[in-house]
Order: sequence, then C-alpha cells, then structure tokens
Amino acid sequence: GNSVTQMEGPVTLSEEAFLTINCTYTATGYPSLFWYVQYPGEGLQLLLKATKADDKGSNKGFEATYRKETTSFHLEKGSVQVSDSAVYFCALSDVTGGFKTIFGAGTRLFVKA
Amino acid sequence: DTAVSQTPKYLVTQMGNDKSIKCEQNLGHDTMYWYKQDSKKFLKIMFSYNNKELIINETVPNRFSPKSPDKAHLNLHINSLELGDSAVYFCASSPSDRLEEQFFGPGTRLTVL
Repeated sequence: GNSVTQMEGPVTLSEEAFLTINCTYTATGYPSLFWYVQYPGEGLQLLLKATKADDKGSNKGFEATYRKETTSFHLEKGSVQVSDSAVYFCALSDVTGGFKTIFGAGTRLFVKA
Repeated sequence: DTAVSQTPKYLVTQMGNDKSIKCEQNLGHDTMYWYKQDSKKFLKIMFSYNNKELIINETVPNRFSPKSPDKAHLNLHINSLELGDSAVYFCASSPSDRLEEQFFGPGTRLTVL
C-alpha cells in the first residue's frame, strides 16, 4: 500500500540556518505530493505541492522537488526564521490508493533566535 | 471569512457520554473529511464524504458516526466516549474527490475524563 516516511523530529535550528526535512514515499501509481504546515493550535495548511516527476513546488522560501527515481520529496529552506517553528507534514495522494491522502508522521521544527 | 469552521473548539466530557462535533465549509467544495490527530501529531483519516455520499470509512469503532446533511456540513457524533477517544479532531474539505489540496478547520480538542 501507499506510505510516507519522514524524518523524525524534533529538528532544532538557529535563525538563518539551512533546513532540510526528508520525505520518502511508496506508491502504486503516480501520486501528487504535498507539504503541509501546522502552526501551534491551528489546523494544517498547504505549504506547497508537486503533481508530477521533476516538478518543484515552492512557497514562502520553502522548496521541494518531486524525485521519482529516489521516491523523495525533501523540504528545504535556505534561511529559517523563528516564525517557521511548526510541525511539517509530507503527504501523498494517489487515486490508485483510494480516495484518501496519506500523511507522514510529521516533523516538529523549533527555530531559536 | 472562515473557510472551514468547527464547533466546539474544546470539548471536555466524562467517559460514557455521547457528544457531537460540527463542521461547516463555505468554499463550495464537494468533498469533506474527518481526521483524528493523536498526542504525537499522527494524523489518521476517519471518514470522507463526496456530495453527501460516504466514500471513505476507515476502520474506526462504530461508536463514531458521521452525518452530512448537505455538502457544506459534515458532523461527527461519538457514542459512549472512551479515554482513548481523547485527541484533536480535524475537519477538512477539498474541491472534489480527485485528491487536490485539502483545507483544514482549526480542530476540536476532545478530552475524555
């Protein structure tokens, strides 16, 4: 079945550090891939997405590239801010896996001033 | 304007009670979802409705019963509450069941004593 594996947290960084959160997936078809962010006390919101191989999603300085050969969708940001502290979820949607989105376990990011 | 709203935001109740959580979306979406998020932030799909028709019914106790009176509303009723039901419950919606971006509500934190 479909699955998403993302690196365990928490990840603690200083402001302006480089961020990578790894995400790999298993899917039977050709999934769309997403990163969602959850700020404290809030629901998830879409950060970026990519729908086919080699697509790069980007938003608010975050980027992720859909790599079919390595089944990965790693999230990166060149310079994190304290306001980026949140939980980040990698997710995939694949119609061959039924009408549902599979979420990773989430990675908590703490950014120190 | 709130896109996906849930009530109540907090719900504290005794074991054995019956409670409901309401969800409404004003985005004109066809598909709505209920998720359960545990204390470790793991997100699990429970139910999904598309145009008031149940399309996802994951393995959850039959004490949980969703109801969709119209496509803008999806309520969750829980009978005979148990300690293990304590979690944050999120409602979400998407334009269709074609697995696009989902829009999440702010969550309902349920505590069963």
